[in-house]
Amino acid sequence: KQEVTQIPAALSVPEGENLVLNCSFTDSAIYNLQWFRQDPGKGLTSLLLIQSSQREQTSGRLNASLDKSSGRSTLYIAASQPGDSATYLCAVRPPGSARQLTFGSGTQLTVLP
Amino acid sequence: EAQVTQNPRYLITVTGKKLTVTCSQNMNHEYMSWYRQDPGLGLRQIYYSMNVEVTDKGDVPEGYKVSRKEKRNFPLILESPSPNQTSLYFCASSSRTGGRSYNEQFFGPGTRLTVL
Repeated sequence: KQEVTQIPAALSVPEGENLVLNCSFTDSAIYNLQWFRQDPGKGLTSLLLIQSSQREQTSGRLNASLDKSSGRSTLYIAASQPGDSATYLCAVRPPGSARQLTFGSGTQLTVLP
Repeated sequence: EAQVTQNPRYLITVTGKKLTVTCSQNMNHEYMSWYRQDPGLGLRQIYYSMNVEVTDKGDVPEGYKVSRKEKRNFPLILESPSPNQTSLYFCASSSRTGGRSYNEQFFGPGTRLTVL
């Protein structure tokens, strides 16, 4: 059974720092990996989707990488801002199946002004 | 605007009183799912649907029912709610056709359910 782990569970950084969030998964046979942002009490906003054939995706100050063989993904946030404070979740989709995503437990990020 | 909508957003009910949480998407997506989110347990899939009239159990289906009579709608039904179903519920949809967002999951805003 696929397991997704995100470390650390919480992270606090000063504004302006570059930071990396980590996601690891136990079964490297994935179809794609998706990073989400969740604000307190709110829904999930999709940030980046990386298909299994891709190595990375970029959107603005965000860059996500995928290393299937090692079962790892990272989300890089450049020049962090207080508005980036949220919980970041990664999720993987298995191949050849209609089953939806397996989620990690998230990293709660606080960017201090 | 492309979106997934859920209603109600907040619901307080009592044990045993049947309820339905509606979910609708306007993106013509084939796949739809329901998740619940609990502190310390993360997001867990309840049910999913590949298309109209095709549904299957997720990881935590007990106590829930779903139906998919139309492509855009995927209601979640609690026939006899119990306090352990107090949670934050999310509906999601994705497309299995091509394009940059192939299989990208889109989530609704969530429904916070309290069962007394």
